Amino acid sequence: QVQLQESGPGLVKPSETLSLTCTVSGGSISSYYWSWIRQPAGKGLEWIGRIYTSGSTNYNPSLKSRVTMSVDTSKNQFSLKLSSVTAADTAVYYCARGATTFDYWGQGTLVTVSS
Amino acid sequence: EIVMTQSPATLSVSPGERATLSCRASQSVSSNLAWYQQKPGQAPRLLIYGASTRATGIPARFSGSGSGTEFTLTISSLQSEDFAVYYCQQYNNWPRTFGPGTKVDIK
Repeated sequence: QVQLQESGPGLVKPSETLSLTCTVSGGSISSYYWSWIRQPAGKGLEWIGRIYTSGSTNYNPSLKSRVTMSVDTSKNQFSLKLSSVTAADTAVYYCARGATTFDYWGQGTLVTVSS
Repeated sequence: EIVMTQSPATLSVSPGERATLSCRASQSVSSNLAWYQQKPGQAPRLLIYGASTRATGIPARFSGSGSGTEFTLTISSLQSEDFAVYYCQQYNNWPRTFGPGTKVDIK
């Protein structure tokens, strides 16, 4: 059974960079697309972007200028960096498998942007 | 960007009754439409893809229909575990976009 686990700081200061890692277990990260999705408290879901294990990426235009995704196949991990964060970036961040539909999800990690 | 809308925002249903949820896309997404269920404190779970194909392990009481811009998720006989928020999502275009959700609660 594939499992995903997000990790990273739960508190980030405004203007700094949010950094999260997703560790995949129970299966190989290779030959799949992997996505980041976020959800502000009490609100809907926003797709942030996706990465293939080759390193190719596709980002949401609304965040493209601030997002960088990377993958480390040796560690079965992929990562998200979101720069110049503001309070509007406060949300639960999920990692998920897929770039069309998302069939496996992490439990989510709350990231709060505050000084 | 394709904008997804869902109606109603909240649907109050008694256990055992049928629930019908609607999703509309701002332009055609063909059959590239998925439905997810999310319970409080949990990640979303994939229910339906391709507008009408149930994902692995999803009970037959969940069914999806539609194509183009109009879609429906039907839960034939609501069980206690089905009270949750349901989201539709299109994957015909980039960026992938979700609807605002329909909350199904107990009447």
